[in-house]
Amino acid sequence: SQQGEEDPQALSIQEGENATMNCSYKTSINNLQWYRQNSGRGLVHLILIRSNEREKHSGRLRVTLDTSKKSSSLLITASRAADTASYFCATDLRTGGFKTIFGAGTRLFVKA
Amino acid sequence: EPEVTQTPSHQVTQMGQEVILRCVPISNHLYFYWYRQILGQKVEFLVSFYNNEISEKSEIFDDQFSVERPDGSNFTLKIRSTKLEDSAMYFCASSDLRGTGKNEQFFGPGTRLTVL
Repeated sequence: SQQGEEDPQALSIQEGENATMNCSYKTSINNLQWYRQNSGRGLVHLILIRSNEREKHSGRLRVTLDTSKKSSSLLITASRAADTASYFCATDLRTGGFKTIFGAGTRLFVKA
Repeated sequence: EPEVTQTPSHQVTQMGQEVILRCVPISNHLYFYWYRQILGQKVEFLVSFYNNEISEKSEIFDDQFSVERPDGSNFTLKIRSTKLEDSAMYFCASSDLRGTGKNEQFFGPGTRLTVL
């Protein structure tokens, strides 16, 4: 498997429900980030969690990180139709330089 | 709010031609990146750039690719001899000093490269 794999690949929920997306990675990281991408557009940074942190909140977003399992989850609470987008996790690798690897993403569709 | 800009938004070129994609990172950022995204696929790291030199590059970033920061504001990606498989969306990103361990990258809107 590749660095930064998300599951599920696609998720369809009703407005108001919570959406949970998971990410797994293989190598040691400095931090892990979640980005959002609307169709055909650029990426928007949502939240960053450092390797020594376990949980982070930002508005309706909650991110967890388990470095022992090399996994992270993104929870969007009380979803809205406007949350419809692709969500990617990205890991900043522990290399001598700066290298960020994106996962394949989860396509979230929130039905109004 | 400062933002990363990219030009052109869409570039069409013939196979074998050279293209230069341009980016203007956020002015006080020190770290610069290029990524590509083939239609329907994930975002792939190409290269990172710091202190006027390449920091890391991926296996995609072969001798056909080069990056340059020709002045204090622009950051360019050059593809010397384009191939059909270079057709993709190319994103530039920049980030602030990494001393805190944070690397929030700000992405530009992308350049769609179409190689015919």
